[in-house]
Amino acid sequence: AAGVIQSPRHLIKEKRETATLKCYPIPRHDTVYWYQQGPGQDPQFLISFYEKMQSDKGSIPDRFSAQQFSDYHSELNMSSLELGDSALYFCASSLGHPGYNEQFFGPGTRLTVL
Amino acid sequence: KQEVTQIPAALSVPEGENLVLNCSFTDSAIYNLQWFRQDPGKGLTSLLLIQSSQREQTSGRLNASLDKSSGRSTLYIAASQPGDSATYLCAVSWNAGGTSYGKLTFGQGTILTVHP
Repeated sequence: AAGVIQSPRHLIKEKRETATLKCYPIPRHDTVYWYQQGPGQDPQFLISFYEKMQSDKGSIPDRFSAQQFSDYHSELNMSSLELGDSALYFCASSLGHPGYNEQFFGPGTRLTVL
Repeated sequence: KQEVTQIPAALSVPEGENLVLNCSFTDSAIYNLQWFRQDPGKGLTSLLLIQSSQREQTSGRLNASLDKSSGRSTLYIAASQPGDSATYLCAVSWNAGGTSYGKLTFGQGTILTVHP
């Protein structure tokens, strides 16, 4: 069965650079979520989209922005990167209204900021 | 504040043992609860989803129960195997006025080691 696809899988950036993470949800899934997992920590919710509209926002820095496109894929744009942004970034998708159904996670993008 | 706690933080058992992982949440107004498995440096694999109206869900050797009134969920793993070794996370989607925005609040996880 098709799973959530994230690209790139690994990304190394310098401080103050920008990064773009991409997420392709499971076919037919119309809700996308972004989470950040720091070393040894549990995932923290960043932002979610349903039918191309932002549905909820968590502890996402103002330096980050995201959107969901007409084909339901999503991109997380991160600017002015800081050392503390180094983490595993997960995208998840679900079918229908946010939270109603099971969330399926992608393999993650490991971002390292030097 | 809506929080999720998992006990124990780590568990080591011999192969074949039945075991229980615990998850507690501070607010009984949950929409649903999901159990995940995470291997080191990898993504999260969904194991079970329990809706707030359900008492339990089963999948193979896994059984998850939910008691909203006491703010607890348990994940029961039968006949554990070395391949079950991983971190197990529970996550809650909170009820916001009868609906959910989908944001998951995670516990810190239980690191399970099953030794041969």
